[in-house]
Amino acid sequence: GAGVSQSPSNKVTEKGKDVELRCDPISGHTALYWYRQSLGQGLEFLIYFQGNSAPDKSGLPSDRFSAERTGGSVSTLTIQRTQQEDSAVYLCASSTRLAGNKANEQFFGPGTRLTVL
Amino acid sequence: GEDVEQSLFLSVREGDSSVINCTYTDSSSTYLYWYKQEPGAGLQLLTYIFSNMDMKQDQRLTVLLNKKDKHLSLRIADTQTGDSAIYFCAEKNQAGTALIFGKGTTLSVSS
Repeated sequence: GAGVSQSPSNKVTEKGKDVELRCDPISGHTALYWYRQSLGQGLEFLIYFQGNSAPDKSGLPSDRFSAERTGGSVSTLTIQRTQQEDSAVYLCASSTRLAGNKANEQFFGPGTRLTVL
Repeated sequence: GEDVEQSLFLSVREGDSSVINCTYTDSSSTYLYWYKQEPGAGLQLLTYIFSNMDMKQDQRLTVLLNKKDKHLSLRIADTQTGDSAIYFCAEKNQAGTALIFGKGTTLSVSS
């Protein structure tokens, strides 16, 4: 079946503009994650959604960042008033919470490369 | 806080063994993971080990876990040029909601 998809694959924006990044998880996966991969910084957790539970937003770096997940499927990460330090690859992952999957393998999308000029 | 550390670069010759090392801080981690990222591609789970194990072997891959020292290693036997990639060590955060990744080790394999 289809994997995790993200759009756009590349986004170039001007400082101060708002951007929206989209993630389509694997069908049936109840958990969805957003990470940020910056040069030299590795992967940084941003936010986690699990079913209808309140999301874990502890990784969001500032209140300019927000995310929502509508209908338990597609998620949108919004960055308001973008800054140059927001430039990074934004990765989305999803996983299942089936009883047998104790390792909770996360499947990653290809990412959206955001460049803020 | 939670932290995962790994060396940034490793260069080996084709056919040699590669060993990528990682240290982590959260002793309560139940699973530890190795992810692989090939150029221009997303992350892919390579292997994982449960914390009550000290070794796991899967074909050319051997994972060693030293819980006392909080040290994890990934050994790739008979390294091939196709193994060139960035390898990330990861553990679950304490809330169990996400993974804490190291900065990645870039493995370069020369023929």
